[in-house]
Amino acid sequence: AQKVTQAQTEISVVEKEDVTLDCVYETRDTTYYLFWYKQPPSGELVFLIRRNSFDEQNEISGRYSWNFQKSTSSFNFTITASQVVDSAVYFCALTVADRGSTLGRLYFGRGTQLTVWP
Amino acid sequence: DAGVTQSPTHLIKTRGQQVTLRCSPKSGHDTVSWYQQALGQGPQFIFQYYEEEERQRGNFPDRFSGHQFPNYSSELNVNALLLGDSALYLCASSLGPSGEAEQPQHFGDGTRLSIL
Repeated sequence: AQKVTQAQTEISVVEKEDVTLDCVYETRDTTYYLFWYKQPPSGELVFLIRRNSFDEQNEISGRYSWNFQKSTSSFNFTITASQVVDSAVYFCALTVADRGSTLGRLYFGRGTQLTVWP
Repeated sequence: DAGVTQSPTHLIKTRGQQVTLRCSPKSGHDTVSWYQQALGQGPQFIFQYYEEEERQRGNFPDRFSGHQFPNYSSELNVNALLLGDSALYLCASSLGPSGEAEQPQHFGDGTRLSIL
């Protein structure tokens, strides 16, 4: 069974602070993919990043960076120099590549509400 | 390039009624998945449609049913509505149900369903 845990329910920071959102996952599959999505108040889930289970390189995209560590089953997301526009709910999600019944199905964590104050 | 579109945006129903939600996938996508997101929770997978067939299903009762049309659009039907069905219903599209697990699913803005 697949499971994603986001232990942080809410985080509040002041603009320009760095913030890290934690994600821990569980799966017995050896090939899987991890995602981060952003959900603004409008409701749409906006794709941010995808990482496969064989690529543990950290990735940086502008103010965003991701740290994937298989040893701890974690896929953490850091926003550097946060801005008010970063305020949203962030979801970590997992899917497996097993060509069985769960292929393509996303398993989401409960999300972390990030509020950035000016 | 049109993204995933869902209708209606909001809907209010009473217990026992039936509802139909609609979704048009992103251009070029042929697979549609539906998710239910209760307030304060992460989205939960309902089912996935490909080639007009339900390919996989999450832990939802038979009151939840769906359909996919030849143009890849999809409907989600919920019968005998319960108060607990109040949620944001999200539609996601992707290209192909298998072999493309790594492809990100593209989500619509959702339909917010309220049951009175």
